[in-house]
Amino acid sequence: KNEVEQSPQNLTAQEGEFITINCSYSVGISALHWLQQHPGGGIVSLFMLSSGKKKHGRLIATINIQEKHSSLHITASHPRDSAVYICAGRLEGGSEKLVFGKGTKLTVNP
Amino acid sequence: NAGVTQTPKFRILKIGQSMTLQCTQDMNHNYMYWYRQDPGMGLKLIYYSVGAGITDKGEVPNGYNVSRSTTEDFPLRLELAAPSQTSVYFCASSQMTGDETQYFGPGTRLLVL
Repeated sequence: KNEVEQSPQNLTAQEGEFITINCSYSVGISALHWLQQHPGGGIVSLFMLSSGKKKHGRLIATINIQEKHSSLHITASHPRDSAVYICAGRLEGGSEKLVFGKGTKLTVNP
Repeated sequence: NAGVTQTPKFRILKIGQSMTLQCTQDMNHNYMYWYRQDPGMGLKLIYYSVGAGITDKGEVPNGYNVSRSTTEDFPLRLELAAPSQTSVYFCASSQMTGDETQYFGPGTRLLVL
């Protein structure tokens, strides 16, 4: 079992829909990253959070440390949001190692 | 700023050949990382560096070597290429620790035949 699990693996939505991508982890982490990988392969960091909630435009990320769970929400989804979304946790104890989920492939149709 | 740049973008190697993947960042970041991404799998950390002259192994270091002689550059060396090293390689950097936002390069696609 992977230390970081994402669900769903694939997600298809219609433009305008509210999207939720989930990330659960079985190890202790000090921070959680959400990344976006474009169809061309480039990776962009969206959020880094260790508690609570962060918002950037139409994107919202939440984390519940006690439940070892994080969610990424996209409001008013758009075809340009189509990408692979990856969560990664930084292990506790001063480690520089990030443990990555396998990603959720999102397709937003017009 | 160019951010994080990687060269080459794509390379085909024969088994047993050697090559160096180049990574340069112009953000004066202390921390630099090398990851590999295999199809259907999550990114895995190969090596990382917390500053010039300091490197350490990640999750999958076997078959690779790194050096960090300057703040800007963090090359990854493959000494004897094997088919298992066929992957996409990403270099990343951050200002401080892994709790900071990481900035990724565009990736190098490597095929070992």
